[in-house]
Amino acid sequence: TQLLEQSPQFLSIQEGENLTVYCNSSSVFSSLQWYRQEPGEGPVLLVTVVTGGEVKKLKRLTFQFGDARKDSSLHITAAQPGDTGLYLCAPYTGNQFYFGTGTSLTVIP
Amino acid sequence: NAGVTQTPKFQVLKTGQSMTLQCAQDMNHNSMYWYRQDPGMGLRLIYYSASEGTTDKGEVPNGYNVSRLNKREFSLRLESAAPSQTSVYFCASSETGTTNEKLFFGSGTQLSVL
Repeated sequence: TQLLEQSPQFLSIQEGENLTVYCNSSSVFSSLQWYRQEPGEGPVLLVTVVTGGEVKKLKRLTFQFGDARKDSSLHITAAQPGDTGLYLCAPYTGNQFYFGTGTSLTVIP
Repeated sequence: NAGVTQTPKFQVLKTGQSMTLQCAQDMNHNSMYWYRQDPGMGLRLIYYSASEGTTDKGEVPNGYNVSRLNKREFSLRLESAAPSQTSVYFCASSETGTTNEKLFFGSGTQLSVL
């Protein structure tokens, strides 16, 4: 099992604030995905990053893969209540995806 | 387009009872997966099937069996349920199971073992 740490575990912010969540490991990954999960539903893919140092933007969400492909971050600009959910990172290694424990984000109107 | 369909949505079992969780996908995907999600533990892979006719153990296979009935269906069986198997179970599928692929998830089965 890969040691994978997501931080913070919980985050509660006001609408309009910015935030960053992190996904860290001591292992090198060939790629990494970020998913968002809403209560009572399965996770939904947000982005896949493949190249060390890669930055991808999805509207107000910015994803970065670390240069050494061991870590990743998700930055949300001007958070909105619709961003509320559990954010999971899922690095790919070997022949399967491993999921982190997630960051539970609550955006208060 | 239904995507990945799981049944049942909720289930309560007594210790020692058996049950099968059903999963079907209509996207013609080759690979299918079963995960369990527990508070503070994230999603952990139980079993996966890279293609029809094959199954492999994941991170936490003990106490479970799987059957890839055909390309569409992948079932998870608990032969003798234990309280430690109380969890939310998710089935997922992907086109070929290789890196960069998108996993499509069902909406989950909430299982309680008393």
